[in-house]
Amino acid sequence: DAKTTQPPSMDCAEGRAANLPCNHSTISGNEYVYWYRQIHSQGPQYIIHGLKNNETNEMASLIITEDRKSSTLILPHATLRDTAVYYCIVRLPSNGANSKLTFGKGITLSVRP
Amino acid sequence: NAGVTQTPKFQVLKTGQSMTLQCAQDMNHEYMSWYRQDPGMGLRLIHYSVGAGITDQGEVPNGYNVSRSTTEDFPLRLLSAAPSQTSVYFCASRTTVYDNQPQHFGDGTRLSIL
Repeated sequence: DAKTTQPPSMDCAEGRAANLPCNHSTISGNEYVYWYRQIHSQGPQYIIHGLKNNETNEMASLIITEDRKSSTLILPHATLRDTAVYYCIVRLPSNGANSKLTFGKGITLSVRP
Repeated sequence: NAGVTQTPKFQVLKTGQSMTLQCAQDMNHEYMSWYRQDPGMGLRLIHYSVGAGITDQGEVPNGYNVSRSTTEDFPLRLLSAAPSQTSVYFCASRTTVYDNQPQHFGDGTRLSIL
């Protein structure tokens, strides 16, 4: 799996967009970008994933640069409940049954009132 | 649709006791797995199942047993609890063994072994 680099923390005001960056300069052609988050005292939660194209779902948007060396997760209208640690993961999907998610240190997003 | 449900949320055991952590999913997912999460260690895979009747070991299986008699349920058994098993345990599921699909996690069981 490609290494990812995320800043340790950031904050944003409630109701504003939160833009969370991730660098993955060693990403290979078939590796996907995944985002998960973990709210305190809860299990990890899948947010979104993509390969090359930008993706959007009900939770967030994922913007991947054309060279795929970095990406940005966008929470369009952050709420206090979005305060969490966000993990950017770059990995090659497989049929390996014993494959597992590996979280790095992630970025702690604090949403302020 | 409740997703992945884990019970209990908290448990304190004495060394040597046994117990079962319950996990159920209502999404008809083939693949289910158990992780433990410890500070500084990330998620470590304990056991997994690719379908009813099929289970296998992950990276840290010692001291734990699993079974998968139905698609919905995947209980984790601690045979003889040890302080080293103090951890937060997460059950996860996804549609198939192909891991491009997102994983859905329960809210965890916080287990303390005295």
